[in-house]
Amino acid sequence: KAGVTQTPRYLIKTRGQQVTLSCSPISGHRSVSWYQQTPGQGLQFLFEYFSETQRNKGNFPGRFSGRQFSNSRSEMNVSTLELGDSALYLCASSKNTGDSGNTIYFGEGSWLTVV
Amino acid sequence: EDQVTQSPEALRLQEGESSSLNCSYTVSGLRGLFWYRQDPGKGPEFLFTLYSAGEEKEKERLKATLTKKESFLHITAPKPEDSATYLCAVLTNAGKSTFGDGTTLTVKP
Repeated sequence: KAGVTQTPRYLIKTRGQQVTLSCSPISGHRSVSWYQQTPGQGLQFLFEYFSETQRNKGNFPGRFSGRQFSNSRSEMNVSTLELGDSALYLCASSKNTGDSGNTIYFGEGSWLTVV
Repeated sequence: EDQVTQSPEALRLQEGESSSLNCSYTVSGLRGLFWYRQDPGKGPEFLFTLYSAGEEKEKERLKATLTKKESFLHITAPKPEDSATYLCAVLTNAGKSTFGDGTTLTVKP
């Protein structure tokens, strides 16, 4: 069974540009969440989508946005990139039903460097 | 505000030297507590889910326990391949997850 797949794995962008990251959840998982991980701030929750609707949101500026498609695949977008946006962006999915449905499984992440 | 605090920040052990990692939490309503292992440059790998006080889960040299205020990850006779950062996370009844900053474990041969 394939795990959570994130693309691209590595990318370099310039300040002011925008970036779109993609995530394919585990088959059958309907919830997709996004996290930012940096050495100084640890793992920070960005947002969660379920059935194409944003269900929860973390404390990030409006430059960070996301969406989920009908096949549960998700994208996140960061506009007007800043140097501080350099981080590992992790996507995670969960079934969200049943006793074991709360467990979230992570992808390998997308490494974003803003120069 | 939901809070998760992990201690120690870093732990260095000799191979075979057992120890425990702590995760203390303050949340409005706990739906579940999760432990993950993260190797450098990789995404967190799921280890355990605990749902209620008194619950215990085991996997190889790892054992996770849960009380009403904290969770412990016990490592018995660790090996160098157990070296990683161990993350604790709580999921609240509101559906929000909060992660601790992790404990970086180094096991020397």
